[in-house]
Amino acid sequence: DAKTTQPNSMESNEEEPVHLPCNHSTISGTDYIHWYRQLPSQGPEYVIHGLTSNVNNRMASLAIAEDRKSSTLILHRATLRDAAVYYCILRANQAGTALIFGKGTTLSVSS
Amino acid sequence: DTEVTQTPKHLVMGMTNKKSLKCEQHMGHRAMYWYKQKAKKPPELMFVYSYEKLSINESVPSRFSPECPNSSLLNLHLHALQPEDSALYLCASSQATSGIEQFFGPGTRLTVL
Repeated sequence: DAKTTQPNSMESNEEEPVHLPCNHSTISGTDYIHWYRQLPSQGPEYVIHGLTSNVNNRMASLAIAEDRKSSTLILHRATLRDAAVYYCILRANQAGTALIFGKGTTLSVSS
Repeated sequence: DTEVTQTPKHLVMGMTNKKSLKCEQHMGHRAMYWYKQKAKKPPELMFVYSYEKLSINESVPSRFSPECPNSSLLNLHLHALQPEDSALYLCASSQATSGIEQFFGPGTRLTVL
């Protein structure tokens, strides 16, 4: 499986934008980029996914580099509730594949 | 209902005990998963069920025995566990194994004495 590299930790202030980077230089053409997050004492939850184009949903935006070797998860206005571990995961969109979690980035949000 | 429920929330067992973890979803999903998560580590995939059949076993020791009795239920039977098996056990489901979004339960915190 192609690997992802994320910073161990990042800090943000409440109501400021947060840009969480992910490097995936060995990504293959069929790999989708998924982001999940895990709040304290909870199971992971899906945030967003994309293939080539930038994507937006109610939770976040995903910016994908033109060469697809890196991506950035953007939280437009961080809240205290966004403090979590954020996982960037590559996954082929085909039957029989599963999520392989990397170490993730621990995001701290201060008021 | 977009919820995956897991019971019990906490479980303490001895190394000679037999216990089971239960996971349930009513979203009509046909793929279900077990993950193991040690403290401060990412979740690790253990098993994948697709249409009630085991499709992936990530070389998990036989003291962990999964079972999928129907499309809504997933069990993990535990026997002769070791203290190093203490962890958070997470269940997840998705529409199919190619499904984009996996829904996770809150997990069962297992302690093996």
